[in-house]
Amino acid sequence: QITLKESGPTLVKPTQTLTLTCTFSGFSLSTSGVGVGWIRQPPGKALEWLALIYWDDDKRYSPSLKSRLTITKDTSKNQVVLTMTNMDPVDTATYYCAHTVTMVRGVITFDYWGQGTLVTVSS
Amino acid sequence: QSALTQPAAVSGSPGQSITISCTGTSSDVGGYNYVSWYQQHPGKAPKVMIYDVSNRPSGVSNRFSGSKSGNTASLTISGLQAEDEADYYCSSYTSSSTLVFGGGTKLTVL
Repeated sequence: QITLKESGPTLVKPTQTLTLTCTFSGFSLSTSGVGVGWIRQPPGKALEWLALIYWDDDKRYSPSLKSRLTITKDTSKNQVVLTMTNMDPVDTATYYCAHTVTMVRGVITFDYWGQGTLVTVSS
Repeated sequence: QSALTQPAAVSGSPGQSITISCTGTSSDVGGYNYVSWYQQHPGKAPKVMIYDVSNRPSGVSNRFSGSKSGNTASLTISGLQAEDEADYYCSSYTSSSTLVFGGGTKLTVL
């Protein structure tokens, strides 16, 4: 059974760096084809893909946010960490991590999702 | 990359069929057969309903189907049920080897 769970601060101040951790079980991020991604959703708005890391440490980022994002993995701890710098109130959103498996690099369908964590950016 | 274009809202009566469109460009929807559709109920995480344009994951009702023509993908729900009321999002692989989502469509079952 695959499960994912996001953790991190619920409130950050503008200009601060956000660090979110996705802790998962039921799969290994060292298995060929497997990836873990991050997606966010501002209140009442659409989903936005942020980043993805593959089993072989290949990383993909949203072009519009690439300069602010870093995704890393700790295979031994079954964790993926996303950092986002220079947070702004417009970054207030529910942040999800999700699992994917693919035979074609870059083709991403998220089949298992975490419950999401709401991050508010406010002074 | 710009978000894919979806209608903000669609509605239908129980038993009817509805179709939600997802319009992109030749650099995403039109260029590849890698469109997915997600269903999201209020306060819940999204659930994949269709992948690779027209494939259904195990456990998803065959009332859900997907197709694509040119730069526009479509999700059709037949035999509409009250439980289908939700937000629906499309997503597509892009020429930059990244992912883009649509703006979402709210489905109301009348």
